[in-house]
Amino acid sequence: AQSVTQLGSHVSVSEGALVLLRCNYSSSVPPYLFWYVQYPNQGLQLLLKYTTGATLVKGINGFEAEFKKSETSFHLTKPSAHMSDAAEYFCAVSGMDSSYKLIFGSGTRLLVRP
Amino acid sequence: DSGVTQTPKHLITATGQRVTLRCSPRSGDLSVYWYQQSLDQGLQFLIQYYNGEERAKGNILERFSAQQFPDLHSELNLSSLELGDSALYFCASSGTSGGVSYTQYFGPGTRLTVL
Repeated sequence: AQSVTQLGSHVSVSEGALVLLRCNYSSSVPPYLFWYVQYPNQGLQLLLKYTTGATLVKGINGFEAEFKKSETSFHLTKPSAHMSDAAEYFCAVSGMDSSYKLIFGSGTRLLVRP
Repeated sequence: DSGVTQTPKHLITATGQRVTLRCSPRSGDLSVYWYQQSLDQGLQFLIQYYNGEERAKGNILERFSAQQFPDLHSELNLSSLELGDSALYFCASSGTSGGVSYTQYFGPGTRLTVL
C-alpha cells in the first residue's frame, strides 16, 4: 500500500530564509508525487508534481522538489521564504492503481516570521 | 481558480438530516474525485467517478453515496448525519493524457457543520 509521511506538523522560518518541508513516501510501484498548498479557508492548489523524467521539478511561486528514489523522498524547498508562503502544505502520492487516487500526508503548516 | 466549482460553500444542518454536495469538474475532465478533510482523519479519499461510472471507493461510509451525471457534474449525498461528519468536503477533477489521468485539480470545498 502507498503511504506518505510528512516530518514536522509545523515549520517556522524567518522571512528570506530557506524553506524545507520533508516528505517521505512508501510505494511498491513507481509513484506519482505531488505537493499541494492550502491557504486558510481555501481549497488545495497544485504546487508541483513528479510523474516521470527529470527528478528535480519546479513549481509555482519559486518552489521546487527533488524525487530521490533511493531515499524514497520528495522534499519541497524554496530558497527564500516570503510572508505570503504561510500556509499548509500537503505531500501526496498516487499511481498504485488505475484510479490514481491521492494518498495524502498529514500536512505541514509553514509559519513565516517577519 | 482551478476551474472546479463546488456548491454550497457552507452547509449547516442537524444530526439525522440528509444533504447533497455538488461539484462541476473542469471543462473536459471525465474523472471526479471526492475527498474529506477533518482534523482527526486528515485528507481522505472517498470515491471516484469516471465518465458516469464508479471507478474506485475509499473510506466512504455506507450512509454516503455519490453519482456522476451525463453532463459530468457529480453529487455527494450524505445521510443520517452525525456530529463526526462535520468536515470540509473537496471535489477534484482530472483529465487524461495518453490514457493516464493523474493530476487532480481541486475545488474550493464545501464546509459541512452538523449540529
